[in-house]
Amino acid sequence: DIVMTQSPDSLAVSLGERATINCKSSQSVLYSSDNKNYLAWYQQKPGQPPELLIYWASTRESGVPDRFSGSGSGTDFTLTISSLQAEDVAIYYCQHYYSTPWTFGQGTKVELK
Amino acid sequence: QVQLQQSGPGLVKPSQTLSLTCAISGDSVSINRGTWHWIRQSPSRGLEWLGRTYYKSKWYNEYAVSVKSRITINPDTSKNQFSLQLNSVTPEDTAVYYCASGTSGYSLFDYWGQGTLVTVSS
Repeated sequence: DIVMTQSPDSLAVSLGERATINCKSSQSVLYSSDNKNYLAWYQQKPGQPPELLIYWASTRESGVPDRFSGSGSGTDFTLTISSLQAEDVAIYYCQHYYSTPWTFGQGTKVELK
Repeated sequence: QVQLQQSGPGLVKPSQTLSLTCAISGDSVSINRGTWHWIRQSPSRGLEWLGRTYYKSKWYNEYAVSVKSRITINPDTSKNQFSLQLNSVTPEDTAVYYCASGTSGYSLFDYWGQGTLVTVSS
């Protein structure tokens, strides 16, 4: 199984400041035949299911604000919130979809400082 | 816009069978590019993918090794839904269970059900 490890486990950020979340996979999720990274990011708020934010490591899902961006390739990925808003307080998860079983990171909790 | 509506009991006794259903609107369970999944979430296990069903000229199922001997996911084309059955449950199966879809054909989860807290207790 591919193990997904996120860092940090939690971070506190002031309104308007940048939040950066890292995700590392135990093996590459870059598929050579199409040169795509099979990596997605989700946001989960209390009492709600996760919501897809980004797929192919850097493509924003329709309707996701452009303050959210994804980067990275191979085994190392980053989710950046460029200017944190109050509604961004949530837990963020990375997930690979390279091969079964699809696995998630343990989550990073983003709070307001 | 796809919507997934879950139903099923929130309390199951140990050794019995957990059964949940996910009704689909806005898409078809038998569409060739769709994949239909069950995922659970607990404090001890985090988000755990359990299995999927999908149709590509015929029906396929794939299951996580951790539950493979106990799980069945079935599509129901007449009701446009799919179901989860997990046999011989123990308290370790207590979790919030979600159905989810991968409507792009890839197993990234673009739509989710509302979640069902299932507690395994006598």
